Amino acid sequence: DQQVKQNSPSLSVQEGRISILNCDYTNSMFDYFLWYKKYPAEGPTFLISISSIKDKNEDGRFTVFLNKSAKHLSLHIVPSQPGDSAVYFCAASGMGYGGSQGNLIFGKGTKLSVKP
Amino acid sequence: DTEVTQTPKHLVMGMTNKKSLKCEQHMGHRAMYWYKQKAKKPPELMFVYSYEKLSINESVPSRFSPECPNSSLLNLHLHALQPEDSALYLCASSRTYRAGSPLHFGNGTRLTVT
Repeated sequence: DQQVKQNSPSLSVQEGRISILNCDYTNSMFDYFLWYKKYPAEGPTFLISISSIKDKNEDGRFTVFLNKSAKHLSLHIVPSQPGDSAVYFCAASGMGYGGSQGNLIFGKGTKLSVKP
Repeated sequence: DTEVTQTPKHLVMGMTNKKSLKCEQHMGHRAMYWYKQKAKKPPELMFVYSYEKLSINESVPSRFSPECPNSSLLNLHLHALQPEDSALYLCASSRTYRAGSPLHFGNGTRLTVT
């Protein structure tokens, strides 16, 4: 049973516009949410995270929004650039989840294509 | 350039071979991880070491044997693997093993079992 869901396998956006990547989760014990970017033939690269006590975190062009009541988070990239084209993974972790700490549960990823 | 270095980048091995994957980080991180990623799937956790002690073994078959010789190194010893074990094996590290401490991934070892 998937606990972290990214329902859009792909997204195409024009350069300079906003990219919005969505993620839903089912486990209310998750305390932290992270976004990773992955280029082909490379490992995932950490982008931005948010604690469950916040509803927004911003870092440059990247903003993550968390709606705990809806168990939904989103990553906004503004403005989008061709170099942002990659697979974006949403991940969640929770203190004491499954008796462990820091166990990241990943979504299946969304492939973002930013067209010039 | 990634700060987590994995070797080799590619590995082809037969089902009777013994091989090892290596991972190194010099960021002073005290938690290190092995993940397995199959094509078009998300990474799945295999093992976690925290302060050089095995903290998590996600029901991984014994043909995979992790080792953490010191705080900078993590090995994954492979023996009698099956073709379905072919995957990208990712090493990661984080400052601590606390939830929310971001993981830094290496570029992985692409393993093919023949």
